[in-house]
Amino acid sequence: EIIMTQSPATLSLSPGERATLSCRASQSVSSSSLSWYQQKPGQAPRLLIYGASTRATGIPARFSGSGSGTDFTLTISSLQPEDFAVYYCQQDYNLRTFGQGTKVEIK
Amino acid sequence: QVQLVQSGSELKKPGASVKVSCKASGYTFTSYDIDWVRQAPGQGLEWMGWINTNTGNPTYVQGFTGRFVFSLDTSVSTAYLQISSLKAEDTAVYYCARVYDNRASNAFQHWGQGTLVTVSS
Repeated sequence: EIIMTQSPATLSLSPGERATLSCRASQSVSSSSLSWYQQKPGQAPRLLIYGASTRATGIPARFSGSGSGTDFTLTISSLQPEDFAVYYCQQDYNLRTFGQGTKVEIK
Repeated sequence: QVQLVQSGSELKKPGASVKVSCKASGYTFTSYDIDWVRQAPGQGLEWMGWINTNTGNPTYVQGFTGRFVFSLDTSVSTAYLQISSLKAEDTAVYYCARVYDNRASNAFQHWGQGTLVTVSS
């Protein structure tokens, strides 16, 4: 099983600041198999990024993804009020596993 | 547009069974598998497995074998998750999900709204 480890667990930032979220895989995965999701309380997850760096349909340009191998990053260039949520990475290189999530909270 | 609409919340006693439905619309149901994801209260997302909507063949990941059954009714474009011998630890929101349109990716582009199953005496 590929274990996905996200850091930090919680990120406390102010609106307008840059958010950098990390996701590390326990073994190398193909970039095409790495995705990021946003989840707000009481809502289903929403796909943000697939293929490590491609924004899903309708996702604003302030969200970007990068990385390869075992280390991947989700960056939110300037946090908007609606961006405060929990973010999950997922790999589908070998079956599927999710990271444990990073909560982005208002400082 | 693609929609996955799940059945409503359920309150069950330990030992009972529950069946959650996921009705798909906006695409050809048998063209994409349906996956299931669990989220316990305050916890992260756990992938449970998937069902091939062409063959009806289910695949369960470790931890979701035995009491969990995926099934289909293709005549009404609906997938089902049945959980038997319910335990308190089965209390969670259960999501169905589908991959990206045109299989541009295996990421889950489409999600049901979730079904809360509460197991309590």
